[in-house]
Formats: sequence, structure tokens, C-alpha cells
Amino acid sequence: GENVEQHPSTLSVQEGDSAVIKCTYSDSASNYFPWYKQELGKGPQLIIDIRSNVGEKKDQRIAVTLNKTAKHFSLHITETQPEDSAVYFCAPFHFGNEKLTFGTGTRLTIIP
Amino acid sequence: DAGVTQSPTHLIKTRGQQVTLRCSPISGHKSVSWYQQVLGQGPQFIFQYYEKEERGRGNFPDRFSARQFPNYSSELNVNALLLGDSALYLCASSLSVGGETEAFFGQGTRLTVV
Repeated sequence: GENVEQHPSTLSVQEGDSAVIKCTYSDSASNYFPWYKQELGKGPQLIIDIRSNVGEKKDQRIAVTLNKTAKHFSLHITETQPEDSAVYFCAPFHFGNEKLTFGTGTRLTIIP
Repeated sequence: DAGVTQSPTHLIKTRGQQVTLRCSPISGHKSVSWYQQVLGQGPQFIFQYYEKEERGRGNFPDRFSARQFPNYSSELNVNALLLGDSALYLCASSLSVGGETEAFFGQGTRLTVV
């Protein structure tokens, strides 16, 4: 099965600085790479995703970059704000599969 | 528009008991998946249902079962509860299967087994 690792497991950054979280996966068939944000007491929410035919995607302050050869993809958050504090999960996937395989999660804390 | 709704939000059960968790998908969504999230870990896949048929099953014992109704709502049943079943149970709905469309998660049911 898919082996998914995230680093770091915890991350604290000053408000306004950037944060980067890396996800490494094992299944070379993976072709869809989403990032989820989970706030306290809520279910995961998709915040950005990328497909294997592109290397980078940006949506305002967040971006995802993909290195399919090395089998890793990263979440980049710029100009961090207190509301970015949450746990972030990657969940690499290949279309046709029935399940998301989540990483171990990264707890991001934004320090005001 | 209502999102994915789960009930109850919290539940306390005793070891050996049985529990039923409920999920109503977003209107128009035909696929429902269940995930277990133990504290401090990522969600783990339990089941996926589409058009009332089981499409996938994760690595969980037979004590776990589920079904989907004609209105696409779903129930997850867990028999003979163990302390290790204490977790947040998440339901996700999507228009179709195979990951072609986004999965939307409910807020979950927090199950505590004592």
C-alpha cells in the first residue's frame, strides 16, 4: 500500500513569514496530490490540489509544488496569518482508487 | 447549502457495546466514505459506498460494517467495541467515485469507549 510521510510534524512560524510542509509518497502510480486543512473540531477541508501533468499550482497565498521523479510534493503558505493555524494533511492518490491515504499530519502554529 | 452532516457529534460507549453512526451526504452526492481518525494521526479509510454498493474496504475487522440507503445516507456500525475504537469517525461525500470529484468531509462523530 501507499506509504506517506510528512515533514515536519510540527511547525511554528511568526505571523507574516512563510511555511513549507513536505510530503513524500511511495506509490509511483499516484497522479493527484491534494492538501487538506483540519481545524480543531472540524473535518479535513481541501485547500489546494495538483495533478501530475503540472509542476506547480498557486492560489493566492498558498501553492503546491510537485516533484514526481523524487515522489514528493510540498505545500507553501506565504504571508501567514493566525487563521492558518491548523493541522495539514497530504493525501496522494491515483484516479480509480477508492480511498485517500493521508499523511501523518503537520501541526502549524502561527505566532502573532 | 447544507454540507455533510453526521450524528451524533459525541458519543460515549462501554466496551463490548455496539454503536451506529449516521451520515447524510451533500444533496446530489452518491458516494459516501468513512474514515477513522485516532488522536494525533491522519484519517484511515474504512469503507466507500456508491449507489448503495460497497466499492472499497480498508484494513478493519469484521466488527465494522456499513450500509448506504436509497437516499444515499449511510450508517457505520461497530460491534463489540474495544477501547482502541475510540476515535473521530469522519464521513466524506462526493459526486462520484475514483477521485474524479472532490470529497467533502463532515465534522465527524467523536466516539469514546470506556
